[in-house]
Amino acid sequence: AQSVTQLGSHVSVSEGALVLLRCNYSSSVPPYLFWYVQYPNQGLQLLLKYTSAATLVKGINGFEAEFKKSETSFHLTKPSAHMSDAAEYFCAVSDLSVYGSARQLTFGSGTQLTVLP
Amino acid sequence: NAGVTQTPKFQVLKTGQSMTLQCAQDMNHNSMYWYRQDPGMGLRLIYYSASEGTTDKGEVPNGYNVSRLNKREFSLRLESAAPSQTSVYFCASSDGRQYNEQFFGPGTRLTVL
Repeated sequence: AQSVTQLGSHVSVSEGALVLLRCNYSSSVPPYLFWYVQYPNQGLQLLLKYTSAATLVKGINGFEAEFKKSETSFHLTKPSAHMSDAAEYFCAVSDLSVYGSARQLTFGSGTQLTVLP
Repeated sequence: NAGVTQTPKFQVLKTGQSMTLQCAQDMNHNSMYWYRQDPGMGLRLIYYSASEGTTDKGEVPNGYNVSRLNKREFSLRLESAAPSQTSVYFCASSDGRQYNEQFFGPGTRLTVL
């Protein structure tokens, strides 16, 4: 069964600093990987996804993530944090479902990003 | 396109009451999902519908039922609400193909007293 671990439930960075949110996954087959962002009182919005075309994936709002098979990681980065980046971020893996034949998403527990002025 | 819509946005129930959460999507997606979100636990799948006419249990189905009314609509019913069902509920949809990117609704915040 697939699983996702997000290291650090809360991350604080200063405005303009590097953002690094960590995600490690386990999957029995080559995975599809996703990062979603959730702003307060809203639903989840897709930031970016890895679908095996390229290991470095660029997403919206200046975020990118690198798929490293040897490390089973898919960390999310942004070179310079902005106040508007404050939100909760979820890593997810898509794999053949343990509940049926369709592919499902398994989510990590989330990382709350705080951006300090 | 409205995307995925959910009603109601907020609801307060007393223990034992029943209610139905409604979800609709206008993206012609085959697959629809219901999740609950609790602090520190991410999103957990309650039920999903891979295609019109089919529904399957997810990770936490106990206490819930679902109906895939048609391709657009997927409802979640709580027959006898319990305080443990206090949560934020999200509906999502996808085209069901291999990448399985899901699009989420704005959520329903449910409190059971």
